[in-house]
Amino acid sequence: AQKITQTQPGMFVQEKEAVTLDCTYDTSDPSYGLFWYKQPSSGEMIFLIYQGSYDQQNATEGRYSLNFQKARKSANLVISASQLGDSAMYFCAMRGSNDYKLSFGAGTTVTVRA
Amino acid sequence: EPEVTQTPSHQVTQMGQEVILRCVPISNHLYFYWYRQILGQKVEFLVSFYNNEISEKSEIFDDQFSVERPDGSNFTLKIRSTKLEDSAMYFCASSFGPNQPQHFGDGTRLSIL
Repeated sequence: AQKITQTQPGMFVQEKEAVTLDCTYDTSDPSYGLFWYKQPSSGEMIFLIYQGSYDQQNATEGRYSLNFQKARKSANLVISASQLGDSAMYFCAMRGSNDYKLSFGAGTTVTVRA
Repeated sequence: EPEVTQTPSHQVTQMGQEVILRCVPISNHLYFYWYRQILGQKVEFLVSFYNNEISEKSEIFDDQFSVERPDGSNFTLKIRSTKLEDSAMYFCASSFGPNQPQHFGDGTRLSIL
């Protein structure tokens, strides 16, 4: 079974600054995928970024980057140059090698201040 | 950009009634999923569907739930006899492959009275 832990229930960040959202995971699978999703207050789930466990380089997607530390089993999301529109709940999720499903963490609420 | 479409956006139903939630996945995607999110809680997996059959389901997905792909475009979740605790946001998702990112619809908010 996969377990995802997001220990920060809420964070505040100043506009234009960077913010790091923590995610640790637990799995015995040799191969897995890690995902981050954004959920604005309107409720939809928006895919942000993906990291495969065998990827050599950390994933980046625009202002989003994933700090993947396999030995530590962590997959932290970094949002650079925060914008007011980044205010949302952010979920870390994982898929094991034998799974179809995503297992989600509890989420972190980010509030960007002007 | 192609997207997953869910209807209705909000469904209000009396306890004990049947409800069908509808989804149109992204057209070239082959894997389909349902998740739910009870207000204020984490997103929970319900079921995945591939090649016209269930590929994985959670313990939440009991005999009250069923899924169907009635034609080439729709993917539905049926709850046979709704309970108060079925009130939640239900998300449909699809992916091209099992290892590819899952793209979610905007959700259907189900309220059971």
